[in-house]
Amino acid sequence: EVQLVESGGGLVQPGGSLTLSCLASGFTFKTYWMTWFRQAPGKGLEWVASIKYDGSEEYYVDSVRGRFSIYRDNAKNSLYLQIDSLRGEDTAVYYCAREKIAPTVFDFWGQGTRVTASS
Amino acid sequence: EIVMTQSPATLSVSPGARATLSCRASQSVSSHLAWYQQRPGQAPRLLIYEASTRATDIPARFSGSGSGTDFTLTISSLQSEDFAVYYCQQYHHWPPHTFGQGSKLEIK
Repeated sequence: EVQLVESGGGLVQPGGSLTLSCLASGFTFKTYWMTWFRQAPGKGLEWVASIKYDGSEEYYVDSVRGRFSIYRDNAKNSLYLQIDSLRGEDTAVYYCAREKIAPTVFDFWGQGTRVTASS
Repeated sequence: EIVMTQSPATLSVSPGARATLSCRASQSVSSHLAWYQQRPGQAPRLLIYEASTRATDIPARFSGSGSGTDFTLTISSLQSEDFAVYYCQQYHHWPPHTFGQGSKLEIK
């Protein structure tokens, strides 16, 4: 059974940093692209960042480029999102998701971890 | 960036009835369109991809159609668990992956 379990969310002051983690199981993690999404309170889904299966390519939404960093450790079946210079508008539930091998859709999602930027 | 627009924002339908949700792309996305369902407090779930292909374990009452810029998700004979928010997503041209703003399907 495919499982994705996020952790690392919490209440952080604006300007602060945190690292989100996503532990994968039930599939060969090292062969899949992985992605982070977020959903602000009462809002829709927003793509945040994606990383190639071997970590050699990364893509970011413009609003987070330079502040967020996506990376992975295939030996640990884990995906990460390093968040720096946190802003109020980053407040959201963050989901990790597996990208289907073909086509580029997202067939399994974690339950999410909540990040709140507030002083 | 391709902008996705969904309509209606909210649709009220009785259980057992049929629901039709729409999604429009700001430029052609060919058939590279997916639909997701999100129930309250839950993660999104992939329903449809390639505009009309049901994902694994998705019931046959869910169907998708369309190509180019106009797409439809139809749910025949609504069940209680189908009342949720539905999002369309284009994957024809990324980054960024873009979603519609969502359509809420509520019980009438």
